[in-house]
Amino acid sequence: DQQVKQNSPSLSVQEGRISILNCDYTNSMFDYFLWYKKYPAEGPTFLISISSIKDKNEDGRFTVFLNKSAKHLSLHIVPSQPGDSAVYFCAAHPWISTASKLTFGTGTRLQVML
Amino acid sequence: NAGVMQNPRHLVRRRGQEARLRCSPMKGHSHVYWYRQLPEEGLKFMVYLQKENIIDESGMPKERFSAEFPKEGPSILRIQQVVRGDSAAYFCASSPMGAMNTEAFFGQGTRLTVV
Repeated sequence: DQQVKQNSPSLSVQEGRISILNCDYTNSMFDYFLWYKKYPAEGPTFLISISSIKDKNEDGRFTVFLNKSAKHLSLHIVPSQPGDSAVYFCAAHPWISTASKLTFGTGTRLQVML
Repeated sequence: NAGVMQNPRHLVRRRGQEARLRCSPMKGHSHVYWYRQLPEEGLKFMVYLQKENIIDESGMPKERFSAEFPKEGPSILRIQQVVRGDSAAYFCASSPMGAMNTEAFFGQGTRLTVV
């Protein structure tokens, strides 16, 4: 039962263009959503988060959008840089739960081409 | 302030042996979480511990797996009588507190290979 889904296993984008990574969830109890970035042989690194009371959160080149009615969120990276090439995981938890009992998606591998 | 430290980074065990994975949380963090990532999959929650207490072990396999976080020293994830299906990357994360925290910091992981 995959409660957090990232349906695109991979994405290729030209340097300087926008990268859009998508994530869908099924558990209506999820109230807090996070994006993690992971390089090979390293642990996930927190990138950006959003709570369900917002529909957008921006941090530099990274913006996360949340559409709660559609149970969908997306991460926008603009402009994309070669160093952004990594696997991106979407994660979620219910607000009332211990924050770090996260449910992760299967990840999207982003490749930013020169 | 050192990050979450996991050791060893790589561990090879023969079937039937025991595997011990260690995790030292970030300084000041008293909450530890273990996750497992199987090949081509996302991270799956295993267990959540505070010092000397297991808070949530709903993601732990019922047999052969155990975890502890003693008053002194690192958290240990122990896998007895390992099988090939235990081969995975095991990640530890820590946070300073539980429900009110919004993110956890992950270690670099231990890659377990069972041969």
